[in-house]
Amino acid sequence: EPEVTQTPSHQVTQMGQEVILRCVPISNHLYFYWYRQILGQKVEFLVSFYNNEISEKSEIFDDQFSVERPDGSNFTLKIRSTKLEDSAMYFCASRSSDSEPLPWYNSPLHFGNGTRLTVT
Amino acid sequence: AQKVTQAQTEISVVEKEDVTLDCVYETRDTTYYLFWYKQPPSGELVFLIRRNSFDEQNEISGRYSWNFQKSTSSFNFTITASQVVDSAVYFCALSDPVNTNAGKSTFGDGTTLTVKP
Repeated sequence: EPEVTQTPSHQVTQMGQEVILRCVPISNHLYFYWYRQILGQKVEFLVSFYNNEISEKSEIFDDQFSVERPDGSNFTLKIRSTKLEDSAMYFCASRSSDSEPLPWYNSPLHFGNGTRLTVT
Repeated sequence: AQKVTQAQTEISVVEKEDVTLDCVYETRDTTYYLFWYKQPPSGELVFLIRRNSFDEQNEISGRYSWNFQKSTSSFNFTITASQVVDSAVYFCALSDPVNTNAGKSTFGDGTTLTVKP
């Protein structure tokens, strides 16, 4: 079964440094997402991406965050200047557009295994 | 705004007991979609079940069953004859078409289920 893959599995960085988290969504999916989960807490929406642009973002997704789909397969999340509170598990997800006869947002999110970001 | 409430923070049962995980949601939309995801100790998020707002038929799949009641905005999940491998955090999630290009899912806080041998 096709999978969403994320690299690296664990990233340690110093406060103020830039990090790029990488994801390869399932190839025929059109909707892409980043979620984060601070240790032991809920899964929080960061951003959704469709048709090469951000379709929605949360209040967490401030100017320090950006997303890109540079080459049609990778989907990246960049944090420009990391803060201690950015330490979390970051999950990439993708979603199929094919859910007929129901709308596409009936299809489930397919998550990667996550990247654990530790900011020291 | 969308909201998902999982009032049970932690549940502990002994193997072979039945357990029900509660989920209550809020949305202004008449069309919406509900999901349950499982997060085992290894950390990945795994899709379990989905329901749309106009399908109130409840379902049983092996040891799992779901009870969707629109009148009470609840989407509860039951595991019968629980097993140690069922130990995980279970998340209820709501997806609604407020932004039809986004399909954002809103997650509850999760219920940690521990099944003891």
